Amino acid sequence: RKEVEQDPGPFNVPEGATVAFNCTYSNSASQSFFWYRQDCRKEPKLLMSVYSSGNEDGRFTAQLNRASQYISLLIRDSKLSDSATYLCVVIGNTGNQFYFGTGTSLTVIP
Amino acid sequence: DGGITQSPKYLFRKEGQNVTLSCEQNLNHDAMYWYRQDPGQGLRLIYYSQIVNDFQKGDIAEGYSVSREKKESFPLTVTSAQKNPTAFYLCASSGWFDGTQYFGPGTRLLVL
Repeated sequence: RKEVEQDPGPFNVPEGATVAFNCTYSNSASQSFFWYRQDCRKEPKLLMSVYSSGNEDGRFTAQLNRASQYISLLIRDSKLSDSATYLCVVIGNTGNQFYFGTGTSLTVIP
Repeated sequence: DGGITQSPKYLFRKEGQNVTLSCEQNLNHDAMYWYRQDPGQGLRLIYYSQIVNDFQKGDIAEGYSVSREKKESFPLTVTSAQKNPTAFYLCASSGWFDGTQYFGPGTRLLVL
C-alpha cells in the first residue's frame, strides 16, 4: 500500500470556480502534512502547511482529518495562474522521510 | 541569495557511462535528499543524508551512489548499473524541525 495516495486528475475547471483535492495517507502516526505546487518542468515549491485546525491563505484552504487520514486543499475563485500540479506531502513518524503523492493536475480554463 | 543549486540543467549519458549530478545548498540545512521524477509520476526517493558523512538508501537506490563530505554538497552519481536513468532529478534540503523541503531547479538526464 502506498504511503500517500492522490487522485491524479486532471481537473479542468473554468476561471472563478472552486475546486478541491483530497489526499489519503496510510500511516496514522504521520507527523506533518503539506501541499506543494509544481509547475510544468519546474521544481516543487511549498504552497502551505496543513494543520488539524485548518489553514487558510487567501483563496487557498488546507484541512487535515486525522480520524479519516486525509488532507484536503480547496481553491476558491480559480485563476489561470493556478494551473499546475499539486502534490500532497506527508512526513512519516520517524520525522526524516517525506512521502509525496503523485500529484493532481489542475488546468484553469478561461 | 540563499538556496539550492543543481547542475547541469541537462545532462546526456552514453551507454555504460557514469555521470554525476551536482547539488549545493547555502541554507545551512543538515538534511539533503535526492528524488527522481518520471513523466506523470510522483517523486521517488533515491538517497537522503541527515548529517555529513552519513547517508541512507531511499526506495530506489539501486544503480545510484552519493557522498556527503561537506554539509553544503550532496552529489549523486548515476552509474552504468542504472538501466533506465532517463528522468528529472531533484535535490532538496531541509532544516531540523523545519518540516519543509526546499528544492533545486532539477537536472534532466537523457540517455544517448
